[in-house]
Amino acid sequence: GDSVTQMEGPVTLSEEAFLTINCTYTATGYPSLFWYVQYPGEGLQLLLKATKADDKGSNKGFEATYRKETTSFHLEKGSVQVSDSAVYFCALSEGNDMRFGAGTRLTVKP
Amino acid sequence: DTGVSQNPRHKITKRGQNVTFRCDPISEHNRLYWYRQTLGQGPEFLTYFQNEAQLEKSRLLSDRFSAERPKGSFSTLEIQRTEQGDSAMYLCASSLDGLQLGGYTFGSGTRLTVV
Repeated sequence: GDSVTQMEGPVTLSEEAFLTINCTYTATGYPSLFWYVQYPGEGLQLLLKATKADDKGSNKGFEATYRKETTSFHLEKGSVQVSDSAVYFCALSEGNDMRFGAGTRLTVKP
Repeated sequence: DTGVSQNPRHKITKRGQNVTFRCDPISEHNRLYWYRQTLGQGPEFLTYFQNEAQLEKSRLLSDRFSAERPKGSFSTLEIQRTEQGDSAMYLCASSLDGLQLGGYTFGSGTRLTVV
């Protein structure tokens, strides 16, 4: 069945460092891909999405490109801030449910 | 509209007791989803409603679990005869366009602890 594999955390970076969180997926068809972020004590918030191959999703300085040839959707940000500290989830959907990765905890230190 | 609302935020119950959680979706959203999230894991799909109809249920949803969405508005998730393995965060989400277009809006969740 469909699944998502994320880079294991935790990831600790200094402020202004470059961030990459790897995500690869397995799907039978052509899923939509998502990144969600979960701040402490809060629910998941949609960060960005891409619905077809070569689409680039972007929001708040974060970007991810839907790569069908490598079945990947890696999350990147050029310069992280302390406020970006959270858990990041990669997800896919082909139908009426959504499959999530296990999450990657990011801590950004000043 | 303040988004998806879930109540209670926290619930501690003794093993064997029944619990019920409530979710109020964004008012114009016709789809409502329940997920379960255990510590260190991503959310796992439990069930999905389109308006008042429950259209899909995961194998995770044992016969001790039941969900309803009367009148296609709020939804309840009941767990009967709770077990320690039911301890988790229960997340509700809603959407309007259908999954692939917009993604979901999630509530803050109900954290269940079974002692």
